[in-house]
Amino acid sequence: GAGVSQTPSNKVTEKGKYVELRCDPISGHTALYWYRQSLGQGPEFLIYFQGTGAADDSGLPNDRFFAVRPEGSVSTLKIQRTERGDSAVYLCASSLTIGQGNNEQFFGPGTRLTVL
Amino acid sequence: AQSVSQHNHHVILSEAASLELGCNYSYGGTVNLFWYVQYPGQHLQLLLKYFSGDPLVKGIKGFEAEFIKSKFSFNLRKPSVQWSDTAEYFCAVNPTGSARQLTFGSGTQLTVLP
Repeated sequence: GAGVSQTPSNKVTEKGKYVELRCDPISGHTALYWYRQSLGQGPEFLIYFQGTGAADDSGLPNDRFFAVRPEGSVSTLKIQRTERGDSAVYLCASSLTIGQGNNEQFFGPGTRLTVL
Repeated sequence: AQSVSQHNHHVILSEAASLELGCNYSYGGTVNLFWYVQYPGQHLQLLLKYFSGDPLVKGIKGFEAEFIKSKFSFNLRKPSVQWSDTAEYFCAVNPTGSARQLTFGSGTQLTVLP
């Protein structure tokens, strides 16, 4: 597609439930990033993939959060035993990684997660 | 680790006024610098970026930013704002030569009154 897409656009769940958020990056982009944006804040890094492997997962807040990118394209962010504090907009971005000049990140529209 | 500070949380201007939004970063090495904009109901879009070379960079919609290395600053400017510039603006950095994650500031909400 022309841009990064994310599904669903909105997700409402109950405390304790499991959720999956999907990101479809720009075709050909090898790097994929997940960020979380809470109200009134800038996006905060969660995890970064280079190809299929997680190059840096230091931003994941705890072991309830996990992400995969099995074929080096689509990625899924998984949150177990959701808590009200997980409510936020989850953003996905992708970029080319060939050379310094191509690391501009393109963002998707985000998934707004609300945990009741 | 790097950090980014945006000191103006909310700026209100009248149309045709000049704009300057502050951005300061903290990092021990060289960085790439970005300004992103988020219009109401839309996703983050890149306004402009600095990787190297001329420290004065021009972006879309008449925006520009100047990298002042000695001040660790990358302030965003526009000589004459329009009502359509109402949006939230984020400054971001990542280490030079990497494809690593961006570190964002907390954002500045700009409201332009018609």
